[in-house]
Amino acid sequence: KAGVTQTPRYLIKTRGQQVTLSCSPISGHRSVSWYQQTPGQGLQFLFEYFSETQRNKGNFPGRFSGRQFSNSRSEMNVSTLELGDSALYLCASSFPGDTEAFFGQGTRLTVV
Amino acid sequence: DAKTTQPNSMESNEEEPVHLPCNHSTISGTDYIHWYRQLPSQGPEYVIHGLTSNVNNRMASLAIAEDRKSSTLILHRATLRDAAVYYCILRDSHTGTASKLTFGTGTRLQVTL
Repeated sequence: KAGVTQTPRYLIKTRGQQVTLSCSPISGHRSVSWYQQTPGQGLQFLFEYFSETQRNKGNFPGRFSGRQFSNSRSEMNVSTLELGDSALYLCASSFPGDTEAFFGQGTRLTVV
Repeated sequence: DAKTTQPNSMESNEEEPVHLPCNHSTISGTDYIHWYRQLPSQGPEYVIHGLTSNVNNRMASLAIAEDRKSSTLILHRATLRDAAVYYCILRDSHTGTASKLTFGTGTRLQVTL
């Protein structure tokens, strides 16, 4: 079966702009989580959505937001981009009751 | 979430076994021990998990100390493709969900010929 798909794979944005990243989970998976990975902070949990509702949220400013659609696809948005938002953004999906999460290859965002 | 401690890096020769340690002295009774690894330019991938007993699967073995304060991921014969960052993660079985994970700094495994 197809894995977790993230688009786009690479993105360059300018400070102050906003960006939307997309994640298509594995078919049947209803939980989608987002992570930010930077060399300095490592992998940090952003938020988790389940059945279109945000279920958990990490410690990130309100500029980071997300949503999930009825088909379980998810988007995350970052507004007013800062240089420090440059990172690899990873999406993970899982099936209720599953013990493992499946990650996409990520979207590498560069803010200049 | 309970904290885990891992060595920053380890080296191994190809075809030899590798033992990757993890300390989790504040583990609670409902925490499962999960291992993920991240290959270069990839997202993390699940390796194995366990609660109290040692576990084996096609990728690795997980040895859990009797007091559960530490565990060891065992790769029986390391290959160049096993070079990755390995993360030991505790996940609460009652409140945790599969895709909400707290990653530490992990162990970077280098495998040489």
